[in-house]
Amino acid sequence: AAGVIQSPRHLIKEKRETATLKCYPIPRHDTVYWYQQGPGQDPQFLISFYEKMQSDKGSIPDRFSAQQFSDYHSELNMSSLELGDSALYFCASSLASNQPQHFGDGTRLSIL
Amino acid sequence: GENVEQHPSTLSVQEGDSAVIKCTYSDSASNYFPWYKQELGKGPQLIIDIRSNVGEKKDQRIAVTLNKTAKHFSLHITETQPEDSAVYFCAASRITGGGNKLTFGTGTQLKVEL
Repeated sequence: AAGVIQSPRHLIKEKRETATLKCYPIPRHDTVYWYQQGPGQDPQFLISFYEKMQSDKGSIPDRFSAQQFSDYHSELNMSSLELGDSALYFCASSLASNQPQHFGDGTRLSIL
Repeated sequence: GENVEQHPSTLSVQEGDSAVIKCTYSDSASNYFPWYKQELGKGPQLIIDIRSNVGEKKDQRIAVTLNKTAKHFSLHITETQPEDSAVYFCAASRITGGGNKLTFGTGTQLKVEL
């Protein structure tokens, strides 16, 4: 079965640079969620989209923004990167906003 | 906001034994409780979930129980196998028309020994 696709899988950036993470949800899934997972920690909710509109917002820094496009894929844009932004970033998708979330394998972002 | 506590943080069992992981949540409005298994280098994989109108759910060797009054829920794995070794996360959310953001517990590292 098709899963959530995230790209790139690994990304290395320097401080103050920008990064764009992409997420392709499972076909027919209209809801996308972004989570950040630090080393040895649990995933923390960042932001979600339902039918291309932002549906909820968590602990996402103002330096980050995200959107969902007409084909339902989503991008997380990160600017003025800081060392503390080094983490795994997961995207999850669901068939509808009240359905189970299925996660991709994440993007590992390293800030040097 | 919601706060989820998870215990134990590490659990070691012998192959064939049962494993139990417990979570408590703080928001009485939470109505959806999934469990995820995360292997090294992979994303969390949904293994079972339960909604607040159900007290127990079972899927082969895995079962989840929910006590709404006490605000706690548990994962039970029977006849454990080495491939069950992973980090397990519980989560809670309040499903609304707009979304379903998950608040995770801190995870349990399960090791199944031969």
